[in-house]
This record gives sequence, structure tokens and C-alpha cells, in this order.
Amino acid sequence: KQEVTQIPAALSVPEGENLVLNCSFTDSAIYNLQWFRQDPGKGLTSLLLIQSSQREQTSGRLNASLDKSSGRSTLYIAASQPGDSATYLCAVQSSGTYKYIFGTGTRLKVLA
Amino acid sequence: DAGVIQSPRHEVTEMGQEVTLRCKPISGHDYLFWYRQTMMRGLELLIYFNNNVPIDDSGMPEDRFSAKMPNASFSTLKIQPSEPRDSAVYFCASSFGQVGYTFGSGTRLTVV
Repeated sequence: KQEVTQIPAALSVPEGENLVLNCSFTDSAIYNLQWFRQDPGKGLTSLLLIQSSQREQTSGRLNASLDKSSGRSTLYIAASQPGDSATYLCAVQSSGTYKYIFGTGTRLKVLA
Repeated sequence: DAGVIQSPRHEVTEMGQEVTLRCKPISGHDYLFWYRQTMMRGLELLIYFNNNVPIDDSGMPEDRFSAKMPNASFSTLKIQPSEPRDSAVYFCASSFGQVGYTFGSGTRLTVV
């Protein structure tokens, strides 16, 4: 059974810092991994999707990496801004299924 | 496209009452997912459909929960009778195959 863990659970950093959010999963037989952002009281917005054959994906200040063999992914945020404050969720789609298994998220606060 | 549309946004009901949550997926999407989010358990998949047919309902917590998809543009999640422990945010998501995974804004359910 696939399990997804995110560390840390919460993070508070000053504006401008580069930061890394971690995600680990127990079953390496995945189809893809996706990082989502969730603002308080809102739905989820997809940030980056990495297919199992890919090592990383980049979008603006965000870079996500995937090491399938070790069951790990990281989300790197460069030059953080107060607007980046949100909860970041990692989700894994296992091979042969269409459902995502979510981690419990990292709650990020960027201080001005 | 207006995205995945859920209604109502908020629902407050008394214990024992029937609750119906509604979802309109993105036009053309062939997969529809119902998730529940709580502080304790995070995001959990309840059930998902492919071409209006339920594929995996292993996440439905008990017989009080039921979901239907009478056509490609509409799905309901029903709780009867509702209990305080059902209080959560319920999300609907849709996709075309394994791509374009899009979440609705959610329904916040409070059972008192």
C-alpha cells in the first residue's frame, strides 16, 4: 500500500530565502508525482507534475525533482515571497491506477 | 471552461439529516474523483468513476456514504444519516485519463 510522507509539517522562513520541501513514498512503482498548492479555505492548484521517466520539472521559481528508486521528491522554491505562503501537498499516482495518494502537506509561511 | 464546479460551498446540517454534495466535472473529462480532507487524516480518496462507472469505492468509510454519476456532467455524494464525524471539506476532481487533474473549490460540511 502506497504511503506518502512530507517533511517538515510546517516551515516559517524570512522573505528571500531559498527552501526545500521533502516528500517520500513507499512504493516506487509510480506513474507520476504531482505537487499541489492549497491556500486556506481553497481548493488545490497543480504546480508541477513529474512523470516517472523524468528527473525534474521547473516552473518559474519552482523546481521539483524525483528520485523514483529511493522514493523521494523535493520541491525547491527560490527567493521565497510572502505570496508563497500556503500548504504544499505532494501526491503520487501509482502505476495501473488513476487515483492520487496525498501526503499530509507542509504548511509554509514566508515572513515579510 | 469554468473548471470543476461544486455545490454548495458550505453546508451546515444537524446530525441524522441527509446531505447531498454535487459536482460538475470539466467537460470532456472521463474520470471523476471524490476526496475528503480533515486535519487528522489529510486528503483521502473516497471513490472514483470512469465514464460514469464507479471503479474504486474502497475509500468510502461506511454504508452511510453513497455516490452516483448519472451522466458525464454530474455526480453526487450523499451521506445518510450524517454524523458529526463526517464534518470535513469534500473535494471533487476530474481528469482526462491521467492528465489534467483539476480540483473543485470544495464543500465545507459541518454536522452539528
